[in-house]
Amino acid sequence: AQSVAQPEDQVNVAEGNPLTVKCTYSVSGNPYLFWYVQYPNRGLQFLLKYITGDNLVKGSYGFEAEFNKSQTSFHLKKPSALVSDSALYFCAFYGGGATNKLIFGTGTLLAVQP
Amino acid sequence: DAGVIQSPRHEVTEMGQEVTLRCKPISGHNSLFWYRQTMMRGLELLIYFNNNVPIDDSGMPEDRFSAKMPNASFSTLKIQPSEPRDSAVYFCASSLGAGGGWPQHFGDGTRLSIL
Repeated sequence: AQSVAQPEDQVNVAEGNPLTVKCTYSVSGNPYLFWYVQYPNRGLQFLLKYITGDNLVKGSYGFEAEFNKSQTSFHLKKPSALVSDSALYFCAFYGGGATNKLIFGTGTLLAVQP
Repeated sequence: DAGVIQSPRHEVTEMGQEVTLRCKPISGHNSLFWYRQTMMRGLELLIYFNNNVPIDDSGMPEDRFSAKMPNASFSTLKIQPSEPRDSAVYFCASSLGAGGGWPQHFGDGTRLSIL
């Protein structure tokens, strides 16, 4: 079955340090991949997407993600973390084919310490 | 711009009661999605509509759940009768297209507690 995996339940990083939130995918064909962020008591917010083209995708709030086909990964990165980046991050993909569903990973809690 | 609007934000009711959750999608969006989020099961897609027509309701847990979209600007998710295990945060999302690269825009959810 097609899926995305977020291997880390939680990532801890100090403010000012670079951050990486990992996502790997098992999707046939050309995957459409997304990152969303969820702040406490809020809905998910779209950060960025990869459909085709440049493997480095830039998104909102200074985030970027790199699509790596050989490693089947789509890790989310930011050069310098802020305390306000602390939130739950979801990787997702579109099922494609007969389905238009957006399939989400289990989420990674990012905690940025001041 | 107004985002996706959900009401109520919080609902507490007793087991067996009917619960109706409401959603107003972003104007111009033609796809609408209902999700449920719990600690145990994460984020689950319940049903989605395209141009007001239900396309896939395979995620609806059982017959106690029903969803309607009578027009492009309004949708409801109803639970009757409600049970404690239905307690969760329910999200509505809308998108400009039905699939592919169109991002979904989420409301802030309805936190439902069934006692």
